[in-house]
Amino acid sequence: DVKVTQSSRYLVKRTGEKVFLECVQDMDHENMFWYRQDPGLGLRLIYFSYDVKMKEKGDIPEGYSVSREKKERFSLILESASTNQTSMYLCASSLYRGLRYGYTFGSGTRLTVV
Amino acid sequence: DAKTTQPNSMESNEEEPVHLPCNHSTISGTDYIHWYRQLPSQGPEYVIHGLTSNVNNRMASLAIAEDRKSSTLILHRATLRDAAVYYCILRDVNSGGSNYKLTFGKGTLLTVNP
Repeated sequence: DVKVTQSSRYLVKRTGEKVFLECVQDMDHENMFWYRQDPGLGLRLIYFSYDVKMKEKGDIPEGYSVSREKKERFSLILESASTNQTSMYLCASSLYRGLRYGYTFGSGTRLTVV
Repeated sequence: DAKTTQPNSMESNEEEPVHLPCNHSTISGTDYIHWYRQLPSQGPEYVIHGLTSNVNNRMASLAIAEDRKSSTLILHRATLRDAAVYYCILRDVNSGGSNYKLTFGKGTLLTVNP
């Protein structure tokens, strides 16, 4: 089975800190995604990457950046964490466009910014 | 992406079949119908997808109306572990670029009673 592993399940950071969320997939998928999920707002796409060193903004990229230096790893960076970035962060990957075969999600990182 | 409409919530009893409906009246000929579910405190999980014909896998069955304007996810014998939010999502096989993303609606919250 494809695995998408997120480095931390729970994380608590202080306002203004630089935060790195790491995601690794083990099935050579081209595409990787970062979503955040908030009550009442559902899942919203932050950034995605369709190849190494390639990235595209999603619906809510402000306050975030990403890095994809290797195919299996996609990092989400909060440049200066703020309390409104407290959320559940979900990483996903997909083969090709993910249209026929589906996306695989990690278990999520629950980030609290205090 | 074309829009889908699902009931906000449904209830079922354990070991009974569950039929989760999804309406997608504006579906195009190249839209695949995907179903995902999200268990409590987990990332979304791919369930099944189809284009025109009914589909079966180890998790569920997908029944697609002849005009493709609606579909039904069928869990043949619900268990307590099937309690989750179920999302019906349309994806255009020809889309690319920023359309790589999955757009999640609010889904249907399935409650399974013992």
